[in-house]
Amino acid sequence: KQEVTQIPAALSVPEGENLVLNCSFTDSAIYNLQWFRQDPGKGLTSLLLIQSSQREQTSGRLNASLDKSSGRSTLYIAASQPGDSATYLCAVSSTSGNTPLVFGKGTRLSVIA
Amino acid sequence: GAGVSQTPSNKVTEKGKYVELRCDPISGHTALYWYRQSLGQGPEFLIYFQGTGAADDSGLPNDRFFAVRPEGSVSTLKIQRTERGDSAVYLCASSPSGGGFERKETQYFGPGTRLLVL
Repeated sequence: KQEVTQIPAALSVPEGENLVLNCSFTDSAIYNLQWFRQDPGKGLTSLLLIQSSQREQTSGRLNASLDKSSGRSTLYIAASQPGDSATYLCAVSSTSGNTPLVFGKGTRLSVIA
Repeated sequence: GAGVSQTPSNKVTEKGKYVELRCDPISGHTALYWYRQSLGQGPEFLIYFQGTGAADDSGLPNDRFFAVRPEGSVSTLKIQRTERGDSAVYLCASSPSGGGFERKETQYFGPGTRLLVL
C-alpha cells in the first residue's frame, strides 16, 4: 500500500527566505506526483504536476523535483512571501488517466512579514 | 467558468442521523472523486466515479457510506447513522476525460463540506 510522508509537518520562515518542503513515498511505481496548496477553509489548488519520466517542473517561484527511484520529491519556494502561507500537500497517482490520489499529511507553512 | 461546488459548506448533525453531501463537478468532466480529510491529515480517497458508475469504492470505510451519480454529473455522498468519528471535511474533485488541452490526471477540487457530528 502506497504511503506518502511529508517533512516537516510545520515550518515558519521570515519573508524573503528560500525554503524546501520534502515528500517521500514508499512505492516507486508511480505515474505522477503533484504538489497542491490548501488555504484554510478552501479546496486544493494544484501547483505542479511531475510525470514519472520527468525530473522537475517549474512555475514562477516554485520548483518541484522528482527522484522516482529513491521515492522522493522536493518543492522549492524561492523568495518566500506572506501570501505563500498555506498548507502544501504532496500526492501521487499509481496509474495513468483518472485515478485516485494518495496524499501526504501536508506541511503547514507560515511566512512572517 | 465555474469550478467544482459543494453544498452545504458546513453541516452539523447529531450522532445517529442521516446526512447527504452534494457535489457539482465542472461541466463535462467525466470523472468524479470523493475524499475525506480529518483534522491534521491529508485527504483520503473514498470513492471514484467514471460517468454514472462507481469505478472504485475501495476507500469507503464501511456500509454506512454510499455515493451516487445517477446522471453522470452531480454526485451525492450519503452517510447513515452518523458517528462522531465521521466528523471531517469531505472534498469532491472532478477531472476531464482527456483528449483536450486538460490532462486527465488533473483533479479540480471543490471547497469541501465541513461535517460535524455531535
